[in-house]
Amino acid sequence: ETGVTQTPRHLVMGMTNKKSLKCEQHLGHNAMYWYKQSAKKPLELMFVYSLEERVENNSVPSRFSPECPNSSHLFLHLHTLQPEDSALYLCASSPLLDEKLFFGSGTQLSVL
Amino acid sequence: DQQVKQNSPSLSVQEGRISILNCDYTNSMFDYFLWYKKYPAEGPTFLISISSIKDKNEDGRFTVFLNKSAKHLSLHIVPSQPGDSAVYFCAARLGGAQKLVFGQGTRLTINP
Repeated sequence: ETGVTQTPRHLVMGMTNKKSLKCEQHLGHNAMYWYKQSAKKPLELMFVYSLEERVENNSVPSRFSPECPNSSHLFLHLHTLQPEDSALYLCASSPLLDEKLFFGSGTQLSVL
Repeated sequence: DQQVKQNSPSLSVQEGRISILNCDYTNSMFDYFLWYKKYPAEGPTFLISISSIKDKNEDGRFTVFLNKSAKHLSLHIVPSQPGDSAVYFCAARLGGAQKLVFGQGTRLTINP
């Protein structure tokens, strides 16, 4: 149990579908993150929320839409994705200003 | 422009010997460096970190060395154990920013 829980673990969707990824942290942290890991590439930062406010949007296409309703929950809403968006999507959290991120197990997404 | 690089995609070490994983960076504004370990189907797990004002940090079998003049850091694992077989990611934090930049990872295999 890492303290950061992601659901679902696996997701297969068509290009016209709308789906959401969910992340919940039980660590009392105030910052939450979405990272993307494609095959043989470094983890790429997508979004950062600090005290429920988005502080970083790393040039992510608008077909990815994050939502942070409170400091414990983070969502990534997906719509009209492309096959090249297939990847492992990782959620993480951290205390404010702390260098250590704590990751969930990820959602393995396949877009057909 | 990749600011954190791990040039060895894989490394194989005999059990009981020392494993040395390397990482190079380009941005002198990084203030913390971290190592994460990742097993298949799990999220990365924090291992050890080092502040840019230090040159060594040790935690049990794990030691991280930082050479700022060379913009290079390394992770030493001694003695190596079969459970150390995983992908290891080097990461760096930009001073004042709430985000980590990751390398591509090195797959470490410990042979019996």
